[in-house]
Amino acid sequence: EVQLVESGGGLVQPGGSLKLSCAASGFNFSGSAMHWVRLASGKGLEWVGRIRSKANSYATGYAASVEGRFTISRDDSKNMFYLQMNSLKIEDTAVYFCTNLHPSWGQGILVTVSS
Amino acid sequence: DIVMSQSPLSLPVTPGEPASISCRSSQSLLYSNGYNYFDWYLQKPGQPPQLLIYLGSNRASGVPDRFSGSGSGTEFTLEISRVEAEDVGVYYCMQALQTPITFGQGTRLEIK
Repeated sequence: EVQLVESGGGLVQPGGSLKLSCAASGFNFSGSAMHWVRLASGKGLEWVGRIRSKANSYATGYAASVEGRFTISRDDSKNMFYLQMNSLKIEDTAVYFCTNLHPSWGQGILVTVSS
Repeated sequence: DIVMSQSPLSLPVTPGEPASISCRSSQSLLYSNGYNYFDWYLQKPGQPPQLLIYLGSNRASGVPDRFSGSGSGTEFTLEISRVEAEDVGVYYCMQALQTPITFGQGTRLEIK
């Protein structure tokens, strides 16, 4: 059974940092591109970024809204996937999902940026 | 960036009736390999998005056959042959041809 489980969410002040983790199992994690997608209250789905596999040089890509502030990484030896979020803004408040897009998604984890 | 535009944004449907959602992309999603890098997702309340249709017209595993996807290039359609109560939620189209990956605004399906 495919499982993706996010952790590390919570409340953080504007300008602060937070690191989300995603534990993957049940599929060829090391061969898969992995993505973060978020859903803010009252808004639609927004792609945050992705990291490709080792075969594709672990290439990363980010949405313009997070470029330079967020960093995606992975540890294939642990089947783990990460989102380091720095210089957080109030508008980063959302539920964050880790996903391989086809077809598996985590349940999501809430990140709240507020003073 | 590729812009994805859905219509309608709100879709009230009587159970047992058909429903249709359209999605238009600002650039062709047809790659040289013949595949359209286009998906449909359904997000039910309190749940993560669920893949319904991938590569334009392929039904994902476990998706009822009342869901079908069609289209190519820049115009795509999701059809539900007979809407059931469990189909309520927000439907999103998504392009995966190039980064940034982009979603449509979402179509909220509700039962009349």
